[in-house]
Amino acid sequence: DSGVTQTPKHLITATGQRVTLRCSPRSGDLSVYWYQQSLDQGLQFLIQYYNGEERAKGNILERFSAQQFPDLHSELNLSSLELGDSALYFCASSVGGHSNQPQHFGDGTRLSIL
Amino acid sequence: DAKTTQPNSMESNEEEPVHLPCNHSTISGTDYIHWYRQLPSQGPEYVIHGLTSNVNNRMASLAIAEDRKSSTLILHRATLRDAAVYYCILRDNTGGFKTIFGAGTRLFVKA
Repeated sequence: DSGVTQTPKHLITATGQRVTLRCSPRSGDLSVYWYQQSLDQGLQFLIQYYNGEERAKGNILERFSAQQFPDLHSELNLSSLELGDSALYFCASSVGGHSNQPQHFGDGTRLSIL
Repeated sequence: DAKTTQPNSMESNEEEPVHLPCNHSTISGTDYIHWYRQLPSQGPEYVIHGLTSNVNNRMASLAIAEDRKSSTLILHRATLRDAAVYYCILRDNTGGFKTIFGAGTRLFVKA
């Protein structure tokens, strides 16, 4: 058990819809990362937050947005969903945001677009 | 962003050591070398990381070449539970804190 909690575990929705994925980091961790894993793209870094502030941005689409709240939990919002957005979405957390600190991953949210 | 190169797959026998190689010829002086693994139907799991010196922990050992252009993850006694995809990644504080995962090495462990 990594201590990172992601909800929901599974989500099925239709094209054009909007969903929100939630992540609770490990106790004491200030940094949260979001990743997308699809069969043809592997693990893609989306975005990182540190103590409520955006720290780094990766291959995140404009239709996607994220935020980290004062209690340090984070949400990833996906809108105008397309079939290609079907993937596993992972959240990870670390104590700080620096490169010498390991990331601890949740079990992911499996998003299926019909 | 510096990239890593790993073999697509490797095979090992149970209870034998496994050496998983990673090339990172464009590594910069501030890049840390991290290893993660992903078991089937699970999120990636942190294994080990280092900067210049070899590192040991309860899961594995990390051997880093003197020029830092390659590294090797060593599992001392492979078990069936070690069958996973192993990712070698580089992380630095100067490149926007991005974490770039490659395709990884799929490790098969035979009983």
